[in-house]
Amino acid sequence: DGGITQSPKYLFRKEGQNVTLSCEQNLNHDAMYWYRQDPGQGLRLIYYSQIVNDFQKGDIAEGYSVSREKKESFPLTVTSAQKNPTAFYLCASSIEEHSYNEQFFGPGTRLTVL
Amino acid sequence: AQSVTQLDSQVPVFEEAPVELRCNYSSSVSVYLFWYVQYPNQGLQLLLKYLSGSTLVESINGFEAEFNKSQTSFHLRKPSVHISDTAEYFCAVSDRAGSYQLTFGKGTKLSVIP
Repeated sequence: DGGITQSPKYLFRKEGQNVTLSCEQNLNHDAMYWYRQDPGQGLRLIYYSQIVNDFQKGDIAEGYSVSREKKESFPLTVTSAQKNPTAFYLCASSIEEHSYNEQFFGPGTRLTVL
Repeated sequence: AQSVTQLDSQVPVFEEAPVELRCNYSSSVSVYLFWYVQYPNQGLQLLLKYLSGSTLVESINGFEAEFNKSQTSFHLRKPSVHISDTAEYFCAVSDRAGSYQLTFGKGTKLSVIP
């Protein structure tokens, strides 16, 4: 089945540690996205990538980094510079050729920093 | 720039009663409109979308939404809700210029009461 996988589902880290969240898709989509979700805040865009080896900052990129070395993969690193990293993180992808940007979402990773 | 306002953060409703979840948007250009649903601790799933044509769009599980250009609204309705409809619902817009960003509202939590 085609889809987007995120791992792990739950992640616990100590304050000050960097942590990398995985996102893989087998939909052959060109564009991929990372969102952060906090209660009552909706989804906020962290980073997005339209093609391999290229990515752009979203609205809340500070304290995060990404890479896009393969079309299928778009890992997100939450660095120690992110002041409040505890949140639910969602990865999404879309077909570049479609102008209407329908996005498909993974199941999410819940990060808790202790 | 675009923005999306979901007027109700929480909507409780009794089972088999009708429900309307309100969504208004603001944009300087024409838009595409989406409703996504999120069940607890899961990713977002596309519920329905308006791209063009008929202003009334329907989902396979009985929800419908109507695009009203003059009122810049895209309200979601269901004539009779079920317990399984309990979830958070997000309205989203993307502009017709092909931007790679999807702007989300803050979500409405629908709670169906037995």
